[in-house]
Amino acid sequence: QKEVEQNSGPLSVPEGAIASLNCTYSDRVSQSFFWYRQYSGKSPELIMSIYSNGDKEDGRFTAQLNKASQYVSLLIRDSQPSDSATYLCAVLNTGFQKLVFGTGTRLLVSP
Amino acid sequence: EAGVVQSPRYKIIEKKQPVAFWCNPISGHNTLYWYLQNLGQGPELLIRYENEEAVDDSQLPKDRFSAERLKGVDSTLKIQPAELGDSAVYLCASSHGTYKRDTGELFFGEGSRLTVL
Repeated sequence: QKEVEQNSGPLSVPEGAIASLNCTYSDRVSQSFFWYRQYSGKSPELIMSIYSNGDKEDGRFTAQLNKASQYVSLLIRDSQPSDSATYLCAVLNTGFQKLVFGTGTRLLVSP
Repeated sequence: EAGVVQSPRYKIIEKKQPVAFWCNPISGHNTLYWYLQNLGQGPELLIRYENEEAVDDSQLPKDRFSAERLKGVDSTLKIQPAELGDSAVYLCASSHGTYKRDTGELFFGEGSRLTVL
């Protein structure tokens, strides 16, 4: 079992729709969770972090965390073509001080 | 504020040749990471430095890979000899965090794309 699992996609949504990206992790002691966005040919950039159960909103982005289910998600409201990218879920295991990335989900937003 | 700077951006070499990548982190960031990213995969940690100390090099293939961060600022990652399977993007990142208090908030450079023929 991979430490961080994501569906590779592509996830295709029309412009203006809600995109829902999901991630599961295997290590229960993980404490911190992150979403990085990576445009094609570019490097990852941090867009959201979440540390406690529940929702965290930042503009059109909402991160959701359920530690009991070991599940993290990212919702993008009013999706735009400029949101088309690969979204990497990353989980920090504070016990091992190691940030582990998933394989990423490719999102395609069509005009 | 300048971001993480990496060079070269692209490198094409023949197998068995050596190659080196350079990284200059964001000023004030004590922690520096080298990641490897294959196509369609997430970044995988090769080595992590806190100042000049390599605090995690467990994933670095030490038979052919080496790294240094002599003055605790810029860093060099070397591969000698390169193999076909080393073709990938080598990402450097830095952060405010420390080994004992990792923030998970990394700032990445543009990466160095290596092609081994």
